[in-house]
Amino acid sequence: NAGVTQTPKFQVLKTGQSMTLQCAQDMNHNSMYWYRQDPGMGLRLIYYSASEGTTDKGEVPNGYNVSRLNKREFSLRLESAAPSQTSVYFCASRWGQGVIEAFFGQGTRLTVV
Amino acid sequence: QKEVEQNSGPLSVPEGAIASLNCTYSDRGSQSFFWYRQYSGKSPELIMFIYSNGDKEDGRFTAQLNKASQYVSLLIRDSQPSDSATYLCAVNPSGNTPLVFGKGTRLSVIA
Repeated sequence: NAGVTQTPKFQVLKTGQSMTLQCAQDMNHNSMYWYRQDPGMGLRLIYYSASEGTTDKGEVPNGYNVSRLNKREFSLRLESAAPSQTSVYFCASRWGQGVIEAFFGQGTRLTVV
Repeated sequence: QKEVEQNSGPLSVPEGAIASLNCTYSDRGSQSFFWYRQYSGKSPELIMFIYSNGDKEDGRFTAQLNKASQYVSLLIRDSQPSDSATYLCAVNPSGNTPLVFGKGTRLSVIA
């Protein structure tokens, strides 16, 4: 039982390149989330999917797109990477309603040069 | 904009002392509250959650919630150097809405 798995763990991109961060969970959770974490800024929500087939913008969606491929998988795409997108990205999942914690993947450390 | 505020620290306590971490939130209707611990370079992991006013104890950890004051805290008794980490407060505003995180408090336990 792996929980939440993110790939890749590390990535270096050149400005203007594109890439997709992958996330998969095996806990049958309904909701999935993408956060970014920058020094002194805490965890900021980029996009989320409350259930399969739905996606919504979070606090900092500009420059990103997402796809909820199925109940297990939620990907984050950077179409044209910018240095401001250098960050650590965390995927998380959660059952849905109620007093339920969010489980996090191990993170992707992305550097845009 | 729903906000969760934490003192960024660092909070330094000697080994064996009680560490007290505090968090305030802006949305009075918030339903449940979480404390996560994050070691440097690692992902956040849940320590405790609380949803009723009062105290909830789990081993060396006690979460305290006061909804009237919109305040939640985490006490760590008998602090150990291994407790040195950043502690994130998270709030569930309602139902299936995403958790809102504070910026975290960095705790340093000095041996």
